[in-house]
Amino acid sequence: NAGVTQTPKFQVLKTGQSMTLQCAQDMNHEYMSWYRQDPGMGLRLIHYSVGAGITDQGEVPNGYNVSRSTTEDFPLRLLSAAPSQTSVYFCASSWDLSYEQYFGPGTRLTVT
Amino acid sequence: QQPVQSPQAVILREGEDAVINCSSSKALYSVHWYRQKHGEAPIFLMILLKGGEQKGHDKISASFNEKKQQSSLYLTASQLSYSGTYFCGTLRSQGMNRDDKIIFGKGTRLHILP
Repeated sequence: NAGVTQTPKFQVLKTGQSMTLQCAQDMNHEYMSWYRQDPGMGLRLIHYSVGAGITDQGEVPNGYNVSRSTTEDFPLRLLSAAPSQTSVYFCASSWDLSYEQYFGPGTRLTVT
Repeated sequence: QQPVQSPQAVILREGEDAVINCSSSKALYSVHWYRQKHGEAPIFLMILLKGGEQKGHDKISASFNEKKQQSSLYLTASQLSYSGTYFCGTLRSQGMNRDDKIIFGKGTRLHILP
């Protein structure tokens, strides 16, 4: 089992560019989520999904889109990157909210 | 609403004990604890559920006071490997509804000195 994988590991964007952060899991987990981590702010929930075809907004959804067409994949799209989106992004998955979340290794994004 | 963790940071010598607290202003169904080492992903420690059930690490103890909406993580006889940032996440209902979600606190940084 690869667990939760994220690509890329590092990315530098210019303001206004768009990109997609990839997340995949091979554990057949229904629940998947995206967090951003900034110094002193903890892990803040961006978007989450309780199953294929279902997504919802978390605490800080503005500027991000998600989709969940399969159980395995949960990509995060930045529509028009801004310097405020410079952060480390983690994807996580679990069976449901009563079980542990498995986190991916993270993507470090810098927007200049 | 983000839970509040205290202290924000603590420095210990190896072998000393530490308590990390997590509190919420809202009623909680469960509290989730994770540890993150620098440059790595968070790793699951344990879940404390309303009613007393616990899931997770055998070597780490924690409590959950449902009435006070508070949880505490107890690190006894600390080891160098305990260093890292500890996060609590709170879930307000059973997780069966679409809008249920886990919200994490800002973290507590723990540094263990040899």
